[in-house]
Amino acid sequence: NAGVTQTPKFRILKIGQSMTLQCTQDMNHNYMYWYRQDPGMGLKLIYYSVGAGITDKGEVPNGYNVSRSTTEDFPLRLELAAPSQTSVYFCASSEKSQGYGYTFGSGTRLTVV
Amino acid sequence: AQSVTQLGSHVSVSEGALVLLRCNYSSSVPPYLFWYVQYPNQGLQLLLKYTSAATLVKGINGFEAEFKKSETSFHLTKPSAHMSDAAEYFCAVISSGGYQKVTFGTGTKLQVIP
Repeated sequence: NAGVTQTPKFRILKIGQSMTLQCTQDMNHNYMYWYRQDPGMGLKLIYYSVGAGITDKGEVPNGYNVSRSTTEDFPLRLELAAPSQTSVYFCASSEKSQGYGYTFGSGTRLTVV
Repeated sequence: AQSVTQLGSHVSVSEGALVLLRCNYSSSVPPYLFWYVQYPNQGLQLLLKYTSAATLVKGINGFEAEFKKSETSFHLTKPSAHMSDAAEYFCAVISSGGYQKVTFGTGTKLQVIP
């Protein structure tokens, strides 16, 4: 099993550009999440989804958007990139609910210049 | 608001020595608790989880953690450190009921000295 796959692994964006971070899981998990990780700050939840067609905001949703058209895919869209969005982004999924623990992707390192 | 505190952003131990990474949570509701490990340039990997079945939880790679409700703690231990244990470790807590928001600690980087 591939688990959770994130693409790209690295990306440099210019201020004001847009991009989509891709996330796909092959475990048939209903719950999916996007986190950002900044040094010394732990992980902050951006958006989450409890199933296809259902998404909701996490702690730090501003500047991001998501969609969940299928169980497998949960892309994260950055509109009008800003330097504050420089971070490492992780997608994760879980079976049924968070009590089962997360499976994480390997991350996307994004730099906005 | 729920919070998690990991004492010590950096911990150094000698190879073969005891590993002790501290995690305290603040919650009035018995939580679910997790420890994750992150190796350089990788995503987080679940080490172990507490879900009220037993207070001493064994995980992968020889790690274990003990849930102490009276101390609101869930410290991670390993009797003998190995070089391959060098990584960053995150404690995470969720509470039951409704959407179970996960709160991660800020992480502890473990250095193992040969």
